[in-house]
This record gives sequence, structure tokens and C-alpha cells, in this order.
Amino acid sequence: NAGVTQTPKFRVLKTGQSMTLLCAQDMNHEYMYWYRQDPGMGLRLIHYSVGEGTTAKGEVPDGYNVSRLKKQNFLLGLESAAPSQTSVYFCASSYSPRGDWGYTFGSGTRLTVV
Amino acid sequence: GQQLNQSPQSMFIQEGEDVSMNCTSSSIFNTWLWYKQDPGEGPVLLIALYKAGELTSNGRLTAQFGITRKDSFLNISASIPSDVGIYFCAGLFNNDMRFGAGTRLTVKP
Repeated sequence: NAGVTQTPKFRVLKTGQSMTLLCAQDMNHEYMYWYRQDPGMGLRLIHYSVGEGTTAKGEVPDGYNVSRLKKQNFLLGLESAAPSQTSVYFCASSYSPRGDWGYTFGSGTRLTVV
Repeated sequence: GQQLNQSPQSMFIQEGEDVSMNCTSSSIFNTWLWYKQDPGEGPVLLIALYKAGELTSNGRLTAQFGITRKDSFLNISASIPSDVGIYFCAGLFNNDMRFGAGTRLTVKP
């Protein structure tokens, strides 16, 4: 019962480096999301996807790109990492289009940019 | 955008005590959801509420959708050590899902 799997769990980047965070779900969900979690703040939506081949911007998309080439995978890319992107990143998926039946979250990726 | 204010920010309680926390906003929502996050893990859905005034239980947890649609409450009865974690509320209006900053719960045995 894997659910949503995120890799890696931890990463340290130098300013200006790039990386890709991987998210895979095995529940056949159409809808997938990338959030960031910062201390004292609620989860903030970076990008989301309503199906294979589609992506859309969320609340805080700047500095990130995403791709959904396969239904089960949603990739988050950082083109040129900045210290402000130090955060915990969560991928989520949902069966319902608006998430009103709840999201299934991965266990997170803790990213530090130095 | 719609902001959710969760309170308290943190709670330190004794095992066996009851816990109450809430989530308020100046905006209305159509759905309220409550999640729990264990250390090093992602949030897990506890309860979903879909109608103003609705009261829903999940074991020792009870949540209510406020009559004004601007707030929601979560109660935990007879707390146990495994209740430790961060509890998040989330509100949904149309296609916009917003999360509160969380209530961190510590339970002392």
C-alpha cells in the first residue's frame, strides 16, 4: 500500500544548483499537487495537475517548474535554487477534482539551499 | 486570498485530558477538512465536513462545521501519547483549498 512516494527525502543544494523532486502515486488519481511547508505557515500550493500532460500554477509558482508526462508521476523542478526555497515539499494526489474528499500526501522532501 | 487562522498554535496537555482547537476565517468555505501530521510524515486526513452545522466523529475525534461557514472545530477526547503531532485545518471554496498553520499538540504521559 504505497500511496504517494516522494524521492529524495532529504537534499542539500548550493545556491544556483538545479534539482528535480520525484512524486509517484499508485492510486490512479487524476489530480496531483505540489505544496511547500514553512514554519508558522500553512501549506502553500506551488503547482498542480488535473491529468496526464496538464499542469497549472498555484499560489507560489515562481522558481519552480513541473511536468506530468505519465499519470502516476508528477515532477517538481528547481531551475536555480535560492535560499528562499529552503522548505519541506509535499506531493499530494486526490480522487476528486477539488480535493474535497481529501488529499493523500507523500512523506515529504526536506530541502536546504545554502 | 482566504486566510485560515488556527488556534492555539501549540498545546501541552496531560494524557487523558480533552483537547479543543479551532480554525477561523473571514471568508466562507464549502468544505472543511482536518489533517494530522506525525513527525517526518505527510498530513493524513482525519475528518471531512461538508455542511454548515455538521458534526462528525472519528473515534475519539469530533469535528464541527461552523454555522457561519467561517469556522471549524476539532475536539479530541481522552488524549493518549500517540495523539502527538500537528493538526491542520483546510478549507475549500470552489476550487481553492487553503490550509491553516497548524496546532502542535504535545501529550505528557
